[in-house]
Amino acid sequence: DIVMTQTPLSSPVTLGQPASISCRSSQSLVHSDGNTYLTWLQQRPGQPPRLLIYKISDRFSGVPDRFSGSGAGTHFTLKISRVEAEDVGVYYCMQGTQFPYTFGQGTKLEIK
Amino acid sequence: EVQLLESGGGLVQPGGSLRLSCAASGFTFSNSAMTWVRQAPGKGLEWVSALSGSGGSTYYADSVKGRFTISRDNSNNTLYLQMNSLRAEDTAVYYCAKGYYGSGTYDYWGLGTLVTVSS
Repeated sequence: DIVMTQTPLSSPVTLGQPASISCRSSQSLVHSDGNTYLTWLQQRPGQPPRLLIYKISDRFSGVPDRFSGSGAGTHFTLKISRVEAEDVGVYYCMQGTQFPYTFGQGTKLEIK
Repeated sequence: EVQLLESGGGLVQPGGSLRLSCAASGFTFSNSAMTWVRQAPGKGLEWVSALSGSGGSTYYADSVKGRFTISRDNSNNTLYLQMNSLRAEDTAVYYCAKGYYGSGTYDYWGLGTLVTVSS
C-alpha cells in the first residue's frame, strides 16, 4: 500500500498570513495513464470532508483561489495564500492512483 | 443538487452484522463510482471500499476484506455496505462519497452514520 505522510501535523497560523502543508508518498503517484491522482480535502469541525484540490493542482468548483496545490512524483504541497477564520479544520492529502486509496494523517490548521 | 444520505448505523456487539445504506440523488447514480470512507472517533480518514458505476468492479481495504461487502442498486440509487464479523476497531463514522470521473477522487460526501461495536 502507498503510505502518505503529512507535515506538519499541526499548524498555528495568524489570520491573513500564508499556510503550507506538505504531503509525501512512499512511491510515485504517477498513474500509467500519465495523470497524478493526488487530492487535498478539508474537514471543518463537525463536518464531512470537502474536496478542495484534485490531480495535484486543479481547484474544485466553488473553492476559493487562495487555495493552491503543487508538486510532482512523491512530494506535494497545499498552500493557502491568506488564511481566513473559515479555513480552520483538518486537511488531508489522499492518493487515488492505486487501490487501496490512502490518506495522510491529517494536518490541523488553527488560528494563533 | 447532489445529496448523499447514509443510514443504518447503530450499536452492535462484536461479531455482529450491520448493513449501511447511502441514498443518492441529484446526479446520474449509475454513471458514478462510489466509495465508503470511515473515521474512528478523534482519528483520521480511512478508505474502506469502492465500487464502479456498473458494480462490476469492487475494491477493499485489507482491514475489511472478507468481512465487508459493497454493493449498489442502480434502480433505487442506493449504495450499500454489508458489514459482518464486526470488531471494536470498526467503530467509526462511515461516509459514502461520489466518484469524480477521471480525477481519482470523490467530489461529494454524505454526513455520515455512526457505527459503534461494543458489548
